[in-house]
Amino acid sequence: SQQGEEDPQALSIQEGENATMNCSYKTSINNLQWYRQNSGRGLVHLILIRSNEREKHSGRLRVTLDTSKKSSSLLITASRAADTASYFCATVSNTGNQFYFGTGTSLTVIP
Amino acid sequence: DAEITQSPRHKITETGRQVTLACHQTWNHNNMFWYRQDLGHGLRLIHYSYGVHDTNKGEVSDGYSVSRSNTEDLPLTLESAASSQTSVYFCASSQGQQAFFGQGTRLTVV
Repeated sequence: SQQGEEDPQALSIQEGENATMNCSYKTSINNLQWYRQNSGRGLVHLILIRSNEREKHSGRLRVTLDTSKKSSSLLITASRAADTASYFCATVSNTGNQFYFGTGTSLTVIP
Repeated sequence: DAEITQSPRHKITETGRQVTLACHQTWNHNNMFWYRQDLGHGLRLIHYSYGVHDTNKGEVSDGYSVSRSNTEDLPLTLESAASSQTSVYFCASSQGQQAFFGQGTRLTVV
């Protein structure tokens, strides 16, 4: 399977705290992406980091990528109750056409 | 606005019946995908297509088929539904960068 894995499976934090979730994958990649899924909804793209990049920021999101360790992390700073959702990493193959998703991290932000 | 829609949103069917889930996108994307989402497994790729008349098997393709007769649609067919195919199904499309997802179809096979 080319599926990645997120860690932890579940995370519960207080509003205002930072949330960090990790992703490990198995194959060579063109890029890695993070998606968010609210309960009962489809996935929504958050941020993309290319294989030659090490860190990327977007608003309260910070993504790192270590291709030597085949791992990535997503940091959400100053979390809000509205950040409560499941977060998935997705690796994109070198052909750039296939997306393989991890098992997800369920984040709960307590107001 | 461009979008991707799935229908039906919910479906209950009996074991052994043929079921087709619809996916329609107005992004004009060449690439379309079907995933199933199960607790503990995340999203697993069932089938994908890179363009009209192109279809490819994903990780969990047994018991499923797709056809791509135009750019906009990629229907997913369960030839003979089994209880193990009870799941939430997501369709997605992309044009090389991010993927855009439909709202999902919850399928229950009884």
